[in-house]
Amino acid sequence: GNSVTQMEGPVTLSEEAFLTINCTYTATGYPSLFWYVQYPGEGLQLLLKATKADDKGSNKGFEATYRKETTSFHLEKGSVQVSDSAVYFCALIRPIIQGAQKLVFGQGTRLTINP
Amino acid sequence: EAGVAQSPRYKIIEKRQSVAFWCNPISGHATLYWYQQILGQGPKLLIQFQNNGVVDDSQLPKDRFSAERLKGVDSTLKIQPAKLEDSAVYLCASSLEAGHSTDTQYFGPGTRLTVL
Repeated sequence: GNSVTQMEGPVTLSEEAFLTINCTYTATGYPSLFWYVQYPGEGLQLLLKATKADDKGSNKGFEATYRKETTSFHLEKGSVQVSDSAVYFCALIRPIIQGAQKLVFGQGTRLTINP
Repeated sequence: EAGVAQSPRYKIIEKRQSVAFWCNPISGHATLYWYQQILGQGPKLLIQFQNNGVVDDSQLPKDRFSAERLKGVDSTLKIQPAKLEDSAVYLCASSLEAGHSTDTQYFGPGTRLTVL
């Protein structure tokens, strides 16, 4: 079946450190891949997405590249800030029936950035 | 542009009681989703509506959960009777249409349910 596996958290880093959150997926066909972020007390927000192999999604200094050969979509940021503290979810979309899509989420990775 | 609205934000009930959650999607969005997010896990799709029709409810525990979207706009999710394992955050999301894998889902703040 279709599934997403993320690196377990929590992850704690110092400000300006380099961030990598690993994400791998299992899917039939060629899904679209997403990173969502959930800040404390808020709903899920789309951070970035990639719809085909070798695509790179980027937003707010975060990047992730769709790697079909390793079935991965790792999230990276060169220099994290305290405001990046949140829970990050990797997800894929797989079609369920024509015209309908279903988001499948990983379990989430809690990130805490210390000043 | 207003986002997805949900109410209430928090609810505490005892097991075997009933509860209902309300969602108002972004104006013009045809597709509405309800997700259940148990603590420490990613959201799991419960039901998806396209306008006022159900597209997928394969993960909805139909013996106790029900949902409707009568006029193709607002939606209500009900649990009757609630069990302890229903304690979770219930997220509503909407998207413009569900015909493409690039379609972005926009999420509301969620309703945190605690069943005692």
